[in-house]
Amino acid sequence: DTEVTQTPKHLVMGMTNKKSLKCEQHMGHRAMYWYKQKAKKPPELMFVYSYEKLSINESVPSRFSPECPNSSLLNLHLHALQPEDSALYLCASSQGAFWDEQFFGPGTRLTVL
Amino acid sequence: GQQVMQIPQYQHVQEGEDFTTYCNSSTTLSNIQWYKQRPGGHPVFLIQLVKSGEVKKQKRLTFQFGEAKKNSSLHITATQTTDVGTYFCAGGMIKAAGNKLTFGGGTRVLVKP
Repeated sequence: DTEVTQTPKHLVMGMTNKKSLKCEQHMGHRAMYWYKQKAKKPPELMFVYSYEKLSINESVPSRFSPECPNSSLLNLHLHALQPEDSALYLCASSQGAFWDEQFFGPGTRLTVL
Repeated sequence: GQQVMQIPQYQHVQEGEDFTTYCNSSTTLSNIQWYKQRPGGHPVFLIQLVKSGEVKKQKRLTFQFGEAKKNSSLHITATQTTDVGTYFCAGGMIKAAGNKLTFGGGTRVLVKP
């Protein structure tokens, strides 16, 4: 299984809602990532988990809260988002080190109204 | 801050022709990876280069890493309609705050049949 899955595929939420994005991989990878991608822009790193511990937080606003319940799962909890947070949220995983090939999931298309 | 720049931003290619996209970093990179993202899709890993001056080939794709490990190029020969998409380079940077890949802005490739 060389796949990273993400749910939901699409999400529409209001600025007062609380929602969560989920990511799962069963490749035994020990590093997992959240990226944000705006239209016609490159993926922008948000968080990195290494061996289930948060190793990088790219100064992301606290309305985004990551969680890594175990080595296969990665969540991104969303609260009080702004319309400018609308984007494609990509999860990725890699064997362990940052120089390893990253496998991306299909993403969650988020719209904040 | 440290950046990875890609040129050109857009590349319109006649089917059958060759083209090259370039990636430049302001700092020395530990490694460089290339990804392809089809329209509506997610980034897919193509290749990684680690050594100074390294050249790797994948069928019609040739990847190079510069001698100073600050630049890279992707050359595609005999472009096909299946080559449509955005090609991103991602440079590996070793930093005290955490090692990570930094994506270039991407080259969006359109193929004219």
